[in-house]
Amino acid sequence: DVKVTQSSRYLVKRTGEKVFLECVQDMDHENMFWYRQDPGLGLRLIYFSYDVKMKEKGDIPEGYSVSREKKERFSLILESASTNQTSMYLCASSFPGQVLYEQYFGPGTRLTVT
Amino acid sequence: LAKTTQPISMDSYEGQEVNITCSHNNIATNDYITWYQQFPSQGPRFIIQGYKTKVTNEVASLFIPADRKSSTLSLPRVSLSDTAVYYCLVGDGGSARQLTFGSGTQLTVLP
Repeated sequence: DVKVTQSSRYLVKRTGEKVFLECVQDMDHENMFWYRQDPGLGLRLIYFSYDVKMKEKGDIPEGYSVSREKKERFSLILESASTNQTSMYLCASSFPGQVLYEQYFGPGTRLTVT
Repeated sequence: LAKTTQPISMDSYEGQEVNITCSHNNIATNDYITWYQQFPSQGPRFIIQGYKTKVTNEVASLFIPADRKSSTLSLPRVSLSDTAVYYCLVGDGGSARQLTFGSGTQLTVLP
């Protein structure tokens, strides 16, 4: 079974803090993605990566950065957390070349910024 | 990018067949149609993907008419555990920018 794990299920941070969200997959997938999910807005793509050290912006990259030093790990970084970044963050991975087909999602991290 | 439109919510009763329709009027020739399911407090899960006519797997069927401007996800004999949000996505898989999940359809199955 494909497993995508995220470092925390719940996280509370203060405004201005630097926040790291970690995601690890065990299927040797080349594609990895970070989304945020907010009520009424569905899932919105923040960043994605097709390979190690490769990243591309999604629809809402402002205020975020990412790091992919190893194939299995994709980190989302909030350089200076703000209250409007309070959200559910979902990581996903997929087979090479198939960004639409069968993405595997992690359980999500619910981040609250106070 | 092909935009999709789905109903915001649907109710059904246990044992009924449920059909959720997605409109995608500007679908491109190379685009596929993909459906995901999301339970509360979980990430979405892939259900089914198709290009034309009909696709069936152990979970659902996907019906796509000849003009491909819409598609229908069919869930046979739903149970309470099928209560979830269902998302329709359209794209050719060439770019992650096509990954627009939208708000989906909240299906509630009643006893």
